[in-house]
Amino acid sequence: DAGVTQSPTHLIKTRGQQVTLRCSPKSGHDTVSWYQQALGQGPQFIFQYYEEEERQRGNFPDRFSGHQFPNYSSELNVNALLLGDSALYLCASSPDPGTSGQETQYFGPGTRLLVL
Amino acid sequence: DAKTTQPTSMDCAEGRAANLPCNHSTISGNEYVYWYRQIHSQGPQYIIHGLKNNETNEMASLIITEDRKSSTLILPHATLRDTAVYYCIEGLIQGAQKLVFGQGTRLTINP
Repeated sequence: DAGVTQSPTHLIKTRGQQVTLRCSPKSGHDTVSWYQQALGQGPQFIFQYYEEEERQRGNFPDRFSGHQFPNYSSELNVNALLLGDSALYLCASSPDPGTSGQETQYFGPGTRLLVL
Repeated sequence: DAKTTQPTSMDCAEGRAANLPCNHSTISGNEYVYWYRQIHSQGPQYIIHGLKNNETNEMASLIITEDRKSSTLILPHATLRDTAVYYCIEGLIQGAQKLVFGQGTRLTINP
């Protein structure tokens, strides 16, 4: 079992650019959540996808958008990058609680984004 | 904002039990207590969760007070690999939920 995988591992962009981060969930998981973790802080919830739709959203601007594909993998897109978007972006997957009875989230290693 | 409070940092000697406290005085009756940890440069890792009974798994034990306003995560024989930031989180187990992380406790295991 490969667990949650994310790509790329590191990325450097300049202000104003756009970025796409990718996540493949753990086998058997159909729910994907994205988190942003600034240096020295705990992860902050961005949004969650289930059945290819955004199910919940945290307090992030519309510059942050996402997508989930039929195979449950997911992308996080950030437009018009700001210096403050520099962070570790974490993807977490979990099974649908309706089928498993629990919703423990399994995290990937993250993508470290640096905006210059 | 996170609804739990934890000490900023703790130290523990290798081989000893590490006891990490968490206050969650506003926890609802249907909310569980989850513990995750994050080793440097890795994603958070699930440790354990509980509702009102004490829980134990291969990683740790969770002791929840009778009034559910606080809990303690116990690592029975801490090793250097247990050095990490430990997060205590309130959450519903049913339905979609987001994890609300606070600052966590930075636990350092000393040789």
